[in-house]
Amino acid sequence: DIQMTQSPSSVPASVGDRVIITCRASQHISTWLAWYQQKPGKAPNLLVYGASSLQAGVPSRFSGSGFGTNFTLTISSLQPEDFATYYCQQADISPFTFGPGTRVDVK
Amino acid sequence: QVQLQESGPGLVKPSETLSLTCSVSGDSISTYYWSWIRQPPGKGLEWIGNIYYTGKTSYNPSLKSRVSISVDTSKNQFSLEMTSVTAADTAFYYCARASRGYGGYRLDFWGQGTLVTVSS
Repeated sequence: DIQMTQSPSSVPASVGDRVIITCRASQHISTWLAWYQQKPGKAPNLLVYGASSLQAGVPSRFSGSGFGTNFTLTISSLQPEDFATYYCQQADISPFTFGPGTRVDVK
Repeated sequence: QVQLQESGPGLVKPSETLSLTCSVSGDSISTYYWSWIRQPPGKGLEWIGNIYYTGKTSYNPSLKSRVSISVDTSKNQFSLEMTSVTAADTAFYYCARASRGYGGYRLDFWGQGTLVTVSS
């Protein structure tokens, strides 16, 4: 199985901050990577797929980048509704494994 | 708008079989792939497997011996069965639509999730 790691595991941040979350795959996955946001008590919500394609309806302050084994999710200016946990998922080979998550919480 | 809704018992006894159904509205199940994902309370996400409307399945090897996913196109539903459950199978279970093709595999619509507790 492809193993996914994320860093940091949590990031304290304030409204207006630029937040960067990193995801690494244990083997090359080209651009086959998705990012999800999950708020407490809710299902995950797709933000980015294909490493950098923004899902319809997702605000443009979210962006993804990367290729191969290293990927990032950037929130350009954190908004109050962005405090949540973020997961990456490799989309290359079954089983489509998730990273352990990064929690963005209030500084 | 695509909507998914999980249904099934919220409590299952150890060693018994967990059975869940996902009802899909707003889209035909005879397109896309359809997936199950679970999340133990307070922990991360685990992909269980998916199915295409033709019945073609793919499972997480860690669960493959205990899991079966099926589809009923006449009811626009798909289902999950997991045998020989233990307390470690206690989790929120989500169903989701999986898109493939350009941009790769992604889970673009999710059900709200249902908590299944394994306890005697």
